[in-house]
Amino acid sequence: TQLLEQSPQFLSIQEGENLTVYCNSSSVFSSLQWYRQEPGEGPVLLVTVVTGGEVKKLKRLTFQFGDARKDSSLHITAAQPGDTGLYLCAGARRSRDAGNMLTFGGGTRLMVKP
Amino acid sequence: EAGVTQSPTHLIKTRGQQVTLRCSPISGHTSVYWYQQALGLGLQFLLWYDEGEERNRGNFPPRFSGRQFPNYSSELNVNALELEDSALYLCASSLRRLAGGPVRELFFGEGSRLTVL
Repeated sequence: TQLLEQSPQFLSIQEGENLTVYCNSSSVFSSLQWYRQEPGEGPVLLVTVVTGGEVKKLKRLTFQFGDARKDSSLHITAAQPGDTGLYLCAGARRSRDAGNMLTFGGGTRLMVKP
Repeated sequence: EAGVTQSPTHLIKTRGQQVTLRCSPISGHTSVYWYQQALGLGLQFLLWYDEGEERNRGNFPPRFSGRQFPNYSSELNVNALELEDSALYLCASSLRRLAGGPVRELFFGEGSRLTVL
């Protein structure tokens, strides 16, 4: 069983602060995705990283895939109340028959106070 | 374009009962995935259907089952409900992953919230 551990589980910060969320595993993933879920809704994809060491930016969000493809991080600069939500990392195996089956981390619940 | 739709949105059952949850994927998507999300935490993989066949299942007992219909819609059935089955059940659809290619985006519905009393 491939496990993804996210930290921290909960994070409450003030608007304008920076934060980093970590996603770690002992297993190698062929690709990794980050999703955000808001109350009453399903998760929505933020980014997919594929190459070890890859860095992707989405406005104030920076995503990094570890060199060994076992870990990832999400950094938010100058957080805003609209960033509030549950952030989920999800890893995909390299397998002919794995389809788009994902292993999800436990999630990081972020609250940004105005 | 309509997104993934799930029904019902909320339901309450008692222990021992059975429940059927339904999911309609995005048009053109042949793969459907079911996940269980307890207490607003991480998602646990339940089942994956593609082209009408079960392709994989997660570490859940056999009382969790489902099927996919020719129009790619899907049902999740849970028999002999237990208290710990209370959760949000999420359905997602996607395009088929290309051989050797990166994982595709999963498009999730809003879920069916099941409460077992």
